[in-house]
Amino acid sequence: QVQLQESGPGLVKPSETLSLTCNVSGYSISSGYYWGWVRQPPGKGLLWIGSIYHSGNTYYNPSLKSRLSISLDTSKNQFSLRLSSVTAADTAVYFCARDGLDRTVIAFDSWGQGIRVTVSS
Amino acid sequence: SYELTQPPSVSVSPGQTASITCSGDKLGNKYVCWYQQKAGQSPALVIYQDSRRPSDIPERFSGSTSGNTATLTIRGTQAMDEADYYCQAWDSNTWVFGGGTKLTVL
Repeated sequence: QVQLQESGPGLVKPSETLSLTCNVSGYSISSGYYWGWVRQPPGKGLLWIGSIYHSGNTYYNPSLKSRLSISLDTSKNQFSLRLSSVTAADTAVYFCARDGLDRTVIAFDSWGQGIRVTVSS
Repeated sequence: SYELTQPPSVSVSPGQTASITCSGDKLGNKYVCWYQQKAGQSPALVIYQDSRRPSDIPERFSGSTSGNTATLTIRGTQAMDEADYYCQAWDSNTWVFGGGTKLTVL
């Protein structure tokens, strides 16, 4: 059974870069699927950030694309998020998830527990 | 950009049927999925491809789509079904979530 776990700093200063990693166990990310990031500001709904294919192809949310980079490290079986020039509006719980865009189950079928990131000086 | 619209809240009595709608332009031409998010937890997939249910989801959860509206139906609603529910669809190389519906069982 696939499991995902986010890691990274819980506090980031304004204008700096937010970096998070999602460690995947129980499934080799090089075997297939897209792998995605979703965030949820306090008390608000879900926002898709972007997804990366096992081949490295990416899809990004247009509203974040200019500040966003998602990458894979197949040797460590993990994928990462970098969001630059952060502001308080980027404060949220960040989830990583398995994205079945290329599969029968076209949905996010497994999720990490989420990591709370606050942008503040 | 594409938008999915959900009612902010729906209330239902225990044992009754709850219906949560999700509307979007030409939504019937896209695959819709639904997530349940209980307080303090990660979202969990309850419906995919409009009406398919993961093996671990109870049969009381069902989904349908007609025209521009997708509907999540929960029959025999239980107290444990109280949660936020989100619809999701893929449009123009972008995943889009609805704003979410808070289901209250009272």
